[in-house]
Amino acid sequence: GDSVTQMEGPVTLSEEAFLTINCTYTATGYPSLFWYVQYPGEGLQLLLKATKADDKGSNKGFEATYRKETTSFHLEKGSVQVSDSAVYFCALSGAGGTSYGKLTFGQGTILTVHP
Amino acid sequence: EAGVAQSPRYKIIEKRQSVAFWCNPISGHATLYWYQQILGQGPKLLIQFQNNGVVDDSQLPKDRFSAERLKGVDSTLKIQPAKLEDSAVYLCASSMMANRDSEAFFGQGTRLTVV
Repeated sequence: GDSVTQMEGPVTLSEEAFLTINCTYTATGYPSLFWYVQYPGEGLQLLLKATKADDKGSNKGFEATYRKETTSFHLEKGSVQVSDSAVYFCALSGAGGTSYGKLTFGQGTILTVHP
Repeated sequence: EAGVAQSPRYKIIEKRQSVAFWCNPISGHATLYWYQQILGQGPKLLIQFQNNGVVDDSQLPKDRFSAERLKGVDSTLKIQPAKLEDSAVYLCASSMMANRDSEAFFGQGTRLTVV
């Protein structure tokens, strides 16, 4: 079945450090790929997405590129801020099944940024 | 625009009791999802509705879980009887349509503790 694997966490960084959170997937067909973020006390919200190979999603300084050849969608940010502290989830959708819209999530990565 | 509303936010029950969660999606969203998020894991789909019809309930433990979406608007998820392993956050999400590119909007969730 479809699955998403994220790098083991948690991740702790100092402000202005470079961030990478690895995400790889296994899926049939050609899924869409997403990063969702959950800030403390809030619900999950979409951070960025990419719908086909070589697409780059970007938002709030975060970027991720859909790499079909390596089945990866790594999240990056050049300079993190304390306000980026949150839980980040990689997810896929529409991988050839009938349940379009259904999201398959990774286990989440806790990011803590210190001043 | 009002977001996805869920209630209650927290619930503590004893095993073998029953419990119900309520969700009101964003107005106009045809697709509604219930996810279960166990501590330390990513959300897992329990059931997906398109208007008032079930699209996918393959992961719903039907011997104890039930869900309905009467009139294609708000939805109720019920557990009867609850088990200790049902302790989790129950997330409701909605999207305008059920396709691979659709953004899902999540509520804040209901945290269930079964003792």
